[in-house]
Amino acid sequence: QKEVEQNSGPLSVPEGAIASLNCTYSDRGSQSFFWYRQYSGKSPELIMSIYSNGDKEDGRFTAQLNKASQYVSLLIRDSQPSDSATYLCAVRIFGGFKTIFGAGTRLFVKA
Amino acid sequence: EAQVTQNPRYLITVTGKKLTVTCSQNMNHEYMSWYRQDPGLGLRQIYYSMNVEVTDKGDVPEGYKVSRKEKRNFPLILESPSPNQTSLYFCASSRGVTGEKLFFGSGTQLSVL
Repeated sequence: QKEVEQNSGPLSVPEGAIASLNCTYSDRGSQSFFWYRQYSGKSPELIMSIYSNGDKEDGRFTAQLNKASQYVSLLIRDSQPSDSATYLCAVRIFGGFKTIFGAGTRLFVKA
Repeated sequence: EAQVTQNPRYLITVTGKKLTVTCSQNMNHEYMSWYRQDPGLGLRQIYYSMNVEVTDKGDVPEGYKVSRKEKRNFPLILESPSPNQTSLYFCASSRGVTGEKLFFGSGTQLSVL
């Protein structure tokens, strides 16, 4: 079992819709959770971090964490074509010095 | 401008010819790391460094070397590259020693023939 799993997609949503991206992780000692966005041919950039159960909102983005279910998600409201990218889920384990990435979900937002 | 600078952007080499990919950050970050990205496998950590002269292996360290003699620089060395090291490489840095909230360089696309 991979440590961080994501559906590879592609996930296709119409412009203006809500895009829902999901991620599960295997280590219950995981402490910190991140979503990175990576445009084709570019480097990843951090868009959200979340550390405690519940929701965290930042503009059109909402990260949701459920440690009991070992599940973290990213919602993108009012999706725009410029949101089309690969979204990487990343996890840091308590006491660890590295961040483990999922393989990413490709999102397409159709105009 | 705060940034992580990697060079070169593209590199084609032959099996066995030693090469170095440079990485430098201007944010005074303690933590630096190298990742490789392959289709379907995501980002896998090669080595990381929590500070000067402190380095440790990531998940896929075989065939790679690193050094951290200065805080700002963290070069990746392939002593004898092989075709299975053909990949997209990213250097990253972050404040603190735990490697959270990473800032990535622009990447190096390496092809080993």
